[in-house]
Amino acid sequence: DQQVKQNSPSLSVQEGRISILNCDYTNSMFDYFLWYKKYPAEGPTFLISISSIKDKNEDGRFTVFLNKSAKHLSLHIVPSQPGDSAVYFCAACYNQGGKLIFGQGTELSVKP
Amino acid sequence: EAGVAQSPRYKIIEKRQSVAFWCNPISGHATLYWYQQILGQGPKLLIQFQNNGVVDDSQLPKDRFSAERLKGVDSTLKIQPAKLEDSAVYLCASSFRTSGGISTDTQYFGPGTRLTVL
Repeated sequence: DQQVKQNSPSLSVQEGRISILNCDYTNSMFDYFLWYKKYPAEGPTFLISISSIKDKNEDGRFTVFLNKSAKHLSLHIVPSQPGDSAVYFCAACYNQGGKLIFGQGTELSVKP
Repeated sequence: EAGVAQSPRYKIIEKRQSVAFWCNPISGHATLYWYQQILGQGPKLLIQFQNNGVVDDSQLPKDRFSAERLKGVDSTLKIQPAKLEDSAVYLCASSFRTSGGISTDTQYFGPGTRLTVL
């Protein structure tokens, strides 16, 4: 069963515009959510996280929004830069540091 | 600070052969994870160690996969015998987790080992 889903395999955005990556989950027990970024031939790199007690967390150009009633989270990148081109994975866990359940990933392409 | 080291980076083997992967976590990180990432999918946890003890190995195919973390530092993951469906990237990650404590605990990933089984 796919407890964490990223339904868009790819997304293309113009440089300077907003990128919005979406993620849905099915397990209401998840209480911590993370976004990882992955470049080819490298391991995933932690980007930003959010606890279920919050609905928004911001770090520079990156903002994660959590809608618990809809079991949906999104990552906003503003403004998008060509260096943001990578595969983005959302992940969820039951407690911070516990087993991560990953989505399938969304490949973001930011065009100059 | 040195990151998570993995070797080899690439490995090609025939089915039914055996293979081993090595991981050296970030210094001081008590928790070590092995993930399998099949092409087009997200990483899937195979096994989690806390120091040299296994915390979760519920998704490790124990008939062919084994892992150990002697002395609570380096770890090896072995597949014997390999099947075609084992072709994937094997990622090692580590995090700093005190016993019973919940800190920032971000998982830091190594570059992975890409395994191709022919």
